[in-house]
Amino acid sequence: KNQVEQSPQSLIILEGKNCTLQCNYTVSPFSNLRWYKQDTGRGPVSLTIMTFSENTKSNGRYTATLDADTKQSSLHITASQLSDSASYICVVIPNTGGFKTIFGAGTRLFVKA
Amino acid sequence: DAGITQSPRHKVTETGTPVTLRCHQTENHRYMYWYRQDPGHGLRLIHYSYGVKDTDKGEVSDGYSVSRSKTEDFLLTLESATSSQTSVYFCAISPTGQGEGEGYTFGSGTRLTVV
Repeated sequence: KNQVEQSPQSLIILEGKNCTLQCNYTVSPFSNLRWYKQDTGRGPVSLTIMTFSENTKSNGRYTATLDADTKQSSLHITASQLSDSASYICVVIPNTGGFKTIFGAGTRLFVKA
Repeated sequence: DAGITQSPRHKVTETGTPVTLRCHQTENHRYMYWYRQDPGHGLRLIHYSYGVKDTDKGEVSDGYSVSRSKTEDFLLTLESATSSQTSVYFCAISPTGQGEGEGYTFGSGTRLTVV
């Protein structure tokens, strides 16, 4: 079982609508949790980073939240735009040393006009 | 992607042939990584480097080797390509280990097809 599970696998929304993407993780302890955006044919780009003690972080229309008790993170996108069509990847860096960064499989978001 | 380039962007090769993918950075970052991305899977680490001539294996290193003779270049070699190595390969760089702090900067990827 993957230690970082994302849902849904894919999502279609209309331009201007809000959406929330979920990330459930079992990695513990961890030093930080990131959300990356990956456009088609491109590499992932960092959107937000949170340490285990933070519970929210915003980057423009993107807001990430973290609930360490339930081991869940979410990425909320407000007033979606066509350019938000991409894959969104949840990444957890364990606090156990070594190069053990764990990437979720991503949520594919389609924003339609 | 600024500061990091991968070549080639696309390659089709035959089973059993050797293949080398190149990653070049201009950021002078210490750490460089090779990942593969497959449908339904998160990015998986193949090999990483923490300095010139300093490399180590990741979780899916079988069938792959790497070399780093200069700070700016990190090469990934498939000694004898197999169909299971058909994938999109991403190079990443970071100033600190594990992509902490500033995080990873990824290249645009190389789509490799082994026929």
